[in-house]
Amino acid sequence: AQTVTQSQPEMSVQEAETVTLSCTYDTSESDYYLFWYKQPPSRQMILVIRQEAYKQQNATENRFSVNFQKAAKSFSLKISDSQLGDAAMYFCASYTGTASKLTFGTGTRLQVTL
Amino acid sequence: GAGVSQSPRYKVAKRGQDVALRCDPISGHVSLFWYQQALGQGPEFLTYFQNEAQLDKSGLPSDRFFAERPEGSVSTLKIQRTQQEDSAVYLCASSPQLGGALNEQFFGPGTRLTVL
Repeated sequence: AQTVTQSQPEMSVQEAETVTLSCTYDTSESDYYLFWYKQPPSRQMILVIRQEAYKQQNATENRFSVNFQKAAKSFSLKISDSQLGDAAMYFCASYTGTASKLTFGTGTRLQVTL
Repeated sequence: GAGVSQSPRYKVAKRGQDVALRCDPISGHVSLFWYQQALGQGPEFLTYFQNEAQLDKSGLPSDRFFAERPEGSVSTLKIQRTQQEDSAVYLCASSPQLGGALNEQFFGPGTRLTVL
C-alpha cells in the first residue's frame, strides 16, 4: 500500500519570497511517480510538477521545483518568487503502475500575503 | 470546452435518495478515474476505467456505489440510498493513455454532494 504524508496543514509566505512545502511517502514499488497538484478555491485540480522516481535530477517548472530525496522518501516543493495566484491547497500524490491510481496526502493550504 | 466537465456541480439529496453524477472526459482519453474528497482531506480513489472496462473498483466504499462507462467516454457514478457520510466532493479525472502515470490526469471541477 502507498501512503503520502503532508505534515504542514497551513503555510504562509510573503509575495516574492520562497516557500517549501514538505511531503513524505511510502511505497514498496521500485517504479513510481510523484506529483504536486494545486487546488484553488474553484476546486479544479491542476498539475504543478511531476517527478519520475528513476530520475535523479530534480524536476523544475518555471518557479516551481522539487527536492526529491529517494532514500529518505521525501518530495518537497519549492515555490520561488511567490505570487498571489499561488494561494491554494497543494496536494502531494504518488502513483504506481500496479495500483493505477493516485494516492494523495491531506494537503497544505498556502497563503500568500502582501 | 476542451476540459473535463462534471454535472451537476452541486447536488443536495435527502438521506435515502439515489443520486447520479456525470463525468464527460476529454475526448479521446482512454483512462477515467473517480475520486472522493471529504471536507479538508485529499482526494481518495474510488474506481478506474480503461475505455469501457472497469479495471479497479477497490476504492468504492460500499455496494451502494456503482460506476459505469458503457461506451468508453461518458461515465456515471451512482450512489444508492445516500447516507450523510457520502457528503463530499466527487472528482473525475481523465488521462490520454493507459494507466495515467506518464500522462497528466486532467481533473474536472467536481460535484459537491450534500446529504441531509
